[in-house]
Amino acid sequence: AQSVTQPDIHITVSEGASLELRCNYSYGATPYLFWYVQSPGQGLQLLLKYFSGDTLVQGIKGFEAEFKRSQSSFNLRKPSVHWSDAAEYFCASDNAGNMLTFGGGTRLMVKP
Amino acid sequence: DSGVTQTPKHLITATGQRVTLRCSPRSGDLSVYWYQQSLDQGLQFLIQYYNGEERAKGNILERFSAQQFPDLHSELNLSSLELGDSALYFCASRRDMNTEAFFGQGTRLTVV
Repeated sequence: AQSVTQPDIHITVSEGASLELRCNYSYGATPYLFWYVQSPGQGLQLLLKYFSGDTLVQGIKGFEAEFKRSQSSFNLRKPSVHWSDAAEYFCASDNAGNMLTFGGGTRLMVKP
Repeated sequence: DSGVTQTPKHLITATGQRVTLRCSPRSGDLSVYWYQQSLDQGLQFLIQYYNGEERAKGNILERFSAQQFPDLHSELNLSSLELGDSALYFCASRRDMNTEAFFGQGTRLTVV
């Protein structure tokens, strides 16, 4: 069965600092990969997605992610974090059409 | 606004009762997914429907059932409710298997 691991449960960064959230997936073929963000009391909003092609994908709010097949990773990055980025971030994978499998989430806190 | 509508937003009910959660997918989306989000279990896939047919089943209890109607809206029925069923229930919809899923705002269920 496919699984998604987000090794960091909590991350705290200073406003203006760079950010990298880690995500590893386990699946034989190349899965579809996603990052979602959830603000308190809200639903999940899609940040970006990877289906195929260019391994560096750009998303909304200045986020990007890089697919690395050799490391089974799909890490999320942002060069300069804003206070409004504080939220919970979920990585998800999908083996081409079946259900999305989510990681446990990483809660991001931003220090002023 | 994702275009996925869930009602009600909040629900408080007693143990042993039965509730129905409703989801209206984005216009044109044939697939509906239900997820449960709790503090200790994270985001758990419950069930998927595609154009009225059950497509995939996850960790859905026998006390829970779902269906998708001809107009493509879906309902999740939870019966014999227990305290541990208290959670956020999300619905997501998807146009096809090569696109991303869009999530509703969720229904927060509290069982007392």
